[in-house]
Amino acid sequence: AQTVTQSQPEMSVQEAETVTLSCTYDTSENNYYLFWYKQPPSRQMILVIRQEAYKQQNATENRFSVNFQKAAKSFSLKISDSQLGDTAMYFCAFMPYSQKLVFGQGTRLTINP
Amino acid sequence: DTGVSQNPRHKITKRGQNVTFRCDPISEHNRLYWYRQTLGQGPEFLTYFQNEAQLEKSRLLSDRFSAERPKGSFSTLEIQRTEQGDSAMYLCASSSFSGIFYNEQFFGPGTRLTVL
Repeated sequence: AQTVTQSQPEMSVQEAETVTLSCTYDTSENNYYLFWYKQPPSRQMILVIRQEAYKQQNATENRFSVNFQKAAKSFSLKISDSQLGDTAMYFCAFMPYSQKLVFGQGTRLTINP
Repeated sequence: DTGVSQNPRHKITKRGQNVTFRCDPISEHNRLYWYRQTLGQGPEFLTYFQNEAQLEKSRLLSDRFSAERPKGSFSTLEIQRTEQGDSAMYLCASSSFSGIFYNEQFFGPGTRLTVL
């Protein structure tokens, strides 16, 4: 069975700081996708960034970047120059070929002014 | 295209009542997924459709749950004889599956169910 673990239930940083959210996963599959989703309070889930397992290069989207360590089954998200609008629940998710997303428990991130 | 919509956004019901939720996917998306998110947890897969065919159901989906997607457009999720443990956010997502590996799933705002 595939599992995703986020070990940080909550994190809080000051605006403009850099923050890293951790995620580990377990799977026996060799080809898959990994994602970070953002769920703002009372708003729908949106995709922040994705990583293809067969690509060694870490994905980057503006202020968001990942550190993908396939052998260690680790997939962390770094948010640079954090903004108040980054306050949200962040979910790490795994997608096998079946397309059924497997989510972690989430990390509640608060950006303080 | 207004994205994935779900109705109602909130539902409060008494234990033992039946409830039905609706999801309207992005037009022409052939795949539709249902997930359940309990408080403080990540979403968990319930079931999914490709067009009108229900291809898989999670073991989380007891006999009291039924989902349909007539004509491959909108989908309904019905819970019969609701229990307090059914209280959760029910999320719908859709994607355009073309046979290649990756197809982004777009999520709706969810229906929050509270069973009293």
